[in-house]
Parts: sequence; structure tokens; C-alpha cells
Amino acid sequence: GENVEQHPSTLSVQEGDSAVIKCTYSDSASNYFPWYKQELGKRPQLIIDIRSNVGEKKDQRIAVTLNKTAKHFSLHITETQPEDSAVYFCAASSGKATDSWGKLQFGAGTQVVVTP
Amino acid sequence: DTEVTQTPKHLVMGMTNKKSLKCEQHMGHRAMYWYKQKAKKPPELMFVYSYEKLSINESVPSRFSPECPNSSLLNLHLHALQPEDSALYLCASSQDRGDYGYTFGSGTRLTVV
Repeated sequence: GENVEQHPSTLSVQEGDSAVIKCTYSDSASNYFPWYKQELGKRPQLIIDIRSNVGEKKDQRIAVTLNKTAKHFSLHITETQPEDSAVYFCAASSGKATDSWGKLQFGAGTQVVVTP
Repeated sequence: DTEVTQTPKHLVMGMTNKKSLKCEQHMGHRAMYWYKQKAKKPPELMFVYSYEKLSINESVPSRFSPECPNSSLLNLHLHALQPEDSALYLCASSQDRGDYGYTFGSGTRLTVV
């Protein structure tokens, strides 16, 4: 099955700096890569996602890049703010050709702390 | 309505109790999911329902019994749980199985005593 590795496990940045989180996946059939933000005691919330036919996607201060050949994808947050502090999870999902179609396999998570 | 609603928000149950978790969505989504999340860990898939039929069971112990009575409702029946089953139970839905953009509910915080 799919295995997703995520680094780093914790990330401390100064307000205004950029943050980068990296994930690798193992299943070449995976074709959908969402990123979730989870604040303490709350639900995971989708912040951005990318499909395998796209190399990069941006939404205001957040961007995701995907390298299918190397099987890795990254989350970039620019001009970080204290409200960006949370746990961020990457995930991968495989397409209809696999038995695990529809299953989101999550990375271990990155605790991001933005200090003013 | 663009939400997934889970009840109850908190549940404390004894190891001999029987309880149920409820999940409801009115977005017309045909796929619904149960995930379990332990503290400081990522969500782990338990079950996937597609068009009210169980599609994936991730080898979950039989003390967890899912049910999908209709396309809007998903239940998780709990019986004879162990303290290690204490976790946040998250329900999610998507337009179709494998469709992009899961919507997660707020979860039920379960404590087994």
C-alpha cells in the first residue's frame, strides 16, 4: 500500500519568514495530493490540493509543488503569520485502478510554530 | 449546507457499554468515511462507504460496526471497547469515492474507561 513520509516533524519560523514542508510517497498510482491544516482540538481542514497532471498550484500565500518522477510534493507558506501555527498533514490518494481507491494516506504531520 | 455534522462531540463510555456515533451530511455526497485519530498522530482510515455500500474495511476489530442507513447518514456502533480505543473519531464525505476534496466533520472525542 501507499506510504507517505513527511518532514520535518516540527518547524519553528519567525513571523514573515517562509515555511516549507516536504512529503514523499511510494505508490506511483497516487494521483491526488491534498494538504490539511489542523488546529488543536479541531478538524483537519483542506488548505490546498494538487492533482498528478499539475506541477504547481498557488493560492495566495500557500503553494504546493509536485514532482511525479521523484514522487515528492511540498507545501510552501510565505509571509507566515501567527495564525498559521498548527499541525499540517500531507496526504496521497490513489486512483480507480487500485483497491485502495478513495483512501487518503496521511503523512505523520508537521507542527508549525510561528513566533511573532 | 456544506458541513459534515457529527454527534455527540464528546463521549465517555465503559468497556461494557454499547454506544453509537452519528455522522450526517446534506451535500449530496455519495462517499462517506470513518477515520480514527490518536493524539499527535495523523488520521487513520477505518471504513469507506460508497453509495451506501461498504467499500473498504481497514481490518478494523469487530467491536466497531459501521452502518450507512441512507446516503446522508453514517453511524459507527461501538461495543466492548478497550481503553486504547480512546481517540478522536472523524467522519468525512466526498462527492464520490476517491473524489477530490474531502470534507471532515468536527469529530467525536471518545474516552473509554
